[in-house]
Amino acid sequence: GAVVSQHPSWVICKSGTSVKIECRSLDFQATTMFWYRQFPKQSLMLMATSNEGSKATYEQGVEKDKFLINHASLTLSTLTVTSAHPEDSSFYICSASSVAGDEQFFGPGTRLTVL
Amino acid sequence: QQQVKQSPQSLIVQKGGIPIINCAYENTAFDYFPWYQQFPGKGPALLIAIRPDVSEKKEGRFTISFNKSAKQFSLHIMDSQPGDSATYFCAASYTGNQFYFGTGTSLTVIP
Repeated sequence: GAVVSQHPSWVICKSGTSVKIECRSLDFQATTMFWYRQFPKQSLMLMATSNEGSKATYEQGVEKDKFLINHASLTLSTLTVTSAHPEDSSFYICSASSVAGDEQFFGPGTRLTVL
Repeated sequence: QQQVKQSPQSLIVQKGGIPIINCAYENTAFDYFPWYQQFPGKGPALLIAIRPDVSEKKEGRFTISFNKSAKQFSLHIMDSQPGDSATYFCAASYTGNQFYFGTGTSLTVIP
């Protein structure tokens, strides 16, 4: 199956700093990438949808100035958490879908801890 | 509004048992229904998916049953093993659009 990687797998940062998370589709071209946030023992919450070369579409309640998403190529999307605070600590997961299809392939997730 | 409702929240079965997880949806435009398996600290992995033109799909020990008129679908795990212990999410989407996930079911298979 298609492979999606995320980097870093975990990150610890101080409050007020910015953190960038990369999501890459390794063996297919991802026309659409999705960013999710997941709290412990809860479902995935969609934060935003990004299409290559265009601005991301954010879900209601997600601050676009705080969670900056860039989808500059068909294999790479980045999520930058700006001025992170402890309440931003969470598990962030990206997924990608190709031109063909319906399937979403998920990355392994990034654990963000803000001190 | 929860687009996809999933039950039960947690499930414990003996090894060899057949856990069944159920999902229900409202939007009749949905045309793709995947199930994902997630281990702690990992991203979800696609297990099996179905479209509404079939009532059942089987892949290995995993079977999806789909009832279009009732707007329900379920996952059955045959001959469950301790390694199947994980959280399972159902989802629904319509072509090319976002997924709507269920709330998840934590499955524990006791040896």
